[in-house]
Amino acid sequence: GAGVSQSPSNKVTEKGKDVELRCDPISGHTALYWYRQSLGQGLEFLIYFQGNSAPDKSGLPSDRFSAERTGGSVSTLTIQRTQQEDSAVYLCASSPAAGRYNEQFFGPGTRLTVL
Amino acid sequence: KNQVEQSPQSLIILEGKNCTLQCNYTVSPFSNLRWYKQDTGRGPVSLTIMTFSENTKSNGRYTATLDADTKQSSLHITASQLSDSASYICVVSVGDGGFKTIFGAGTRLFVKA
Repeated sequence: GAGVSQSPSNKVTEKGKDVELRCDPISGHTALYWYRQSLGQGLEFLIYFQGNSAPDKSGLPSDRFSAERTGGSVSTLTIQRTQQEDSAVYLCASSPAAGRYNEQFFGPGTRLTVL
Repeated sequence: KNQVEQSPQSLIILEGKNCTLQCNYTVSPFSNLRWYKQDTGRGPVSLTIMTFSENTKSNGRYTATLDADTKQSSLHITASQLSDSASYICVVSVGDGGFKTIFGAGTRLFVKA
């Protein structure tokens, strides 16, 4: 079946603008994760959704970052008033359920460049 | 502090040769360790997973080892192919009943003809 998809694949924006990044998880997967990957760095956890539970937002770097997941499926990561340090690849992953043994299936990422 | 460190940062080998990538972690409590392969412009894909009681796991030409006492893991690639050129990421899950995973920065492998 279809894997995790993300859009857009690339986004170039000017400093101070808001951006929205979209993630379509694998159908039926209840857990959804957002990560940020800066050049040459490991993945940095941002936020986690599991079913109807309140999301774990402990990884969001500032209040300019927010995310929502509508209907337990599609998720949108919003960055307000973008800064140059927000430039990175934003990866979304989903897994069949919460739990540390469940493999996370990753999307191709959105490369964000803030000028 | 939970950390995962990988070495080397990058590696260049000739096609057909073997190589070994290293991962050291200080994650506690430990749950499991995965190796992921990330091709350029793609998301990571899981290669192997090992729990505390497993010390080796193979997936084709990829063999991962785990020493839970020394908190070290390795990924051995046999008879490398050009398609093995990618980043290899070591990921350790925290065994505290939650979902948290700690990612290493990865080893960038280049296989040359």
